[in-house]
Amino acid sequence: RKEVEQDPGPFNVPEGATVAFNCTYSNSASQSFFWYRQDCRKEPKLLMSVYSSGNEDGRFTAQLNRASQYISLLIRDSKLSDSATYLCVVNMGSSNTGKLIFGQGTTLQVKP
Amino acid sequence: NAGVTQTPKFQVLKTGQSMTLQCAQDMNHNSMYWYRQDPGMGLRLIYYSASEGTTDKGEVPNGYNVSRLNKREFSLRLESAAPSQTSVYFCASRTQGSGAFFGQGTRLTVV
Repeated sequence: RKEVEQDPGPFNVPEGATVAFNCTYSNSASQSFFWYRQDCRKEPKLLMSVYSSGNEDGRFTAQLNRASQYISLLIRDSKLSDSATYLCVVNMGSSNTGKLIFGQGTTLQVKP
Repeated sequence: NAGVTQTPKFQVLKTGQSMTLQCAQDMNHNSMYWYRQDPGMGLRLIYYSASEGTTDKGEVPNGYNVSRLNKREFSLRLESAAPSQTSVYFCASRTQGSGAFFGQGTRLTVV
């Protein structure tokens, strides 16, 4: 079993749609979680951290479910510019300077 | 603001050649990472350095070595390149508890 797993998609949605991605992780001691965005042939860029109580940044909402060991990303009112690959990242273990493990990414295509 | 700088950006090697990928960050971060990304796949961790003076293996360390030269610099060495090491290599750094910031990548082809 991979340490961090995501549904690779692709997710094809119309503009204005709401779309959600989930990501599961194997190490129950993990403390830090992140969502990244990656555009084709570019470096990953930090989209948002995921906090225990859930957090929102504009149209993006991230949530953590420790009991089930998954994190989620919700995108509301999708824009064409949201088309990208979304990567979940987990800091494995209890140390906040440890291994950062990526999921394989979920591809989102927003269509007019 | 330079952030994380990787050199070179592109490289073609012949099988069996060696090379070192350089990475430097100017954000005073403690932790640094090397990843590889193959087509259609996520990033896989090769090695990381939680702090100056320490290095640890990641998910795919075979065929690579690293050196944390100082707090700013973390290099990745391929001693005898193989075609299976054709990939895009990303370096990243972060401070404790934060997300990591990435360099622009090195596109390596081994023929």
